[in-house]
Amino acid sequence: LAKTTQPISMDSYEGQEVNITCSHNNIATNDYITWYQQFPSQGPRFIIQGYKTKVTNEVASLFIPADRKSSTLSLPRVSLSDTAVYYCLVGDMGTGNQFYFGTGTSLTVIP
Amino acid sequence: GAGVSQSPRYKVAKRGQDVALRCDPISGHVSLFWYQQALGQGPEFLTYFQNEAQLDKSGLPSDRFFAERPEGSVSTLKIQRTQQEDSAVYLCASSLAEGSYNEQFFGPGTRLTVL
Repeated sequence: LAKTTQPISMDSYEGQEVNITCSHNNIATNDYITWYQQFPSQGPRFIIQGYKTKVTNEVASLFIPADRKSSTLSLPRVSLSDTAVYYCLVGDMGTGNQFYFGTGTSLTVIP
Repeated sequence: GAGVSQSPRYKVAKRGQDVALRCDPISGHVSLFWYQQALGQGPEFLTYFQNEAQLDKSGLPSDRFFAERPEGSVSTLKIQRTQQEDSAVYLCASSLAEGSYNEQFFGPGTRLTVL
């Protein structure tokens, strides 16, 4: 079961780009990398997922280097509503059903 | 369309009582997951269903915890003889297809407080 390490907290000003890096040194060949966002009193919400290189959607970008031992979630021009906890997970493509959420990164966006 | 719903949203139990937490996944979703989230921590995996089959229950912390999904849709997480350490938010998630790499849709959770 691949575990992840993220910074516990980060602060950013509104309008800035935020990059949150996650380490997953023992990622397995079949593992995908997935990021979730969680607001207080809500369940986590899927942000983005990738296997290698770069993935971009309307919300964020995910950068994965060739060795896949880390990944970086990039949030462009954050707003106050992006204040939340962000979790990086690695999960087996087909047979592994456990997700290790860890403690996540608490992002605070400052006006 | 409707998302994942959970009931009750809040539950207070006296130590030693049994509780049952319900999860209604998104219609048609094959996979269903239960997680336990303690205050200030990330969700911790409890168990996983693919349709009605419980494929992984390795995260259940003790034999007091039991989950079922008899018809492959609604699921119930039951905790017998509740203890104070069981106090947490219990999250249910469902995904369209099998396999943990698929996007999981989470419900709002049930906050359980054991006195």
